[in-house]
Amino acid sequence: SQTIHQWPATLVQPVGSPLSLECTVEGTSNPNLYWYRQAAGRGLQLLFYSVGIGQISSEVPQNLSASRPQDRQFILSSKKLLLSDSGFYLCAWRSGGVGYTFGSGTRLTVV
Amino acid sequence: GENVEQHPSTLSVQEGDSAVIKCTYSDSASNYFPWYKQELGKRPQLIIDIRSNVGEKKDQRIAVTLNKTAKHFSLHITETQPEDSAVYFCAASKGDYKLSFGAGTTVTVRA
Repeated sequence: SQTIHQWPATLVQPVGSPLSLECTVEGTSNPNLYWYRQAAGRGLQLLFYSVGIGQISSEVPQNLSASRPQDRQFILSSKKLLLSDSGFYLCAWRSGGVGYTFGSGTRLTVV
Repeated sequence: GENVEQHPSTLSVQEGDSAVIKCTYSDSASNYFPWYKQELGKRPQLIIDIRSNVGEKKDQRIAVTLNKTAKHFSLHITETQPEDSAVYFCAASKGDYKLSFGAGTTVTVRA
């Protein structure tokens, strides 16, 4: 069966520090992978998506970047965090014409 | 790109009553419409979906209807229970593997 792993679950980082969030998928090959951010009490904002290794599409200009070094690995990064980067970050995968399966999320607080 | 609007933003219902959430979409080429439920602090989870070749789909107490002409779709929850309290998101996609989400509806079921 397919599973998606995302870590860490919570993270508190100072302003100006770097960020690396990792997401991996098991049990499927060549999945479409996505990073979403959810601000407190708000909707889901698509940040990046990838349809294959090394292929990244950015939806919103951000202080963030994404990379896909392996077929089932998707990484979200920042060189210098801002206060506005705080939120709930969700990785998701989609295989075929069905809805997303989300990871358990990372709650990032920038202080 | 696709624009999905969701109403109402909050909904309070008496236990046992029905709840209805409505979404409209802008791109007539959209053909896949999932609904997600997100409990507090948890990841969104797919609860039901519908494709453009179907007008209605039901799963126990949950049903979704689609009106392609009017470009709107709705989620119906009957005989609501306290565990139905959550944030519900609608979404739309036209096969480009990107889901566009509505802003969410916070449903509270009063005992």
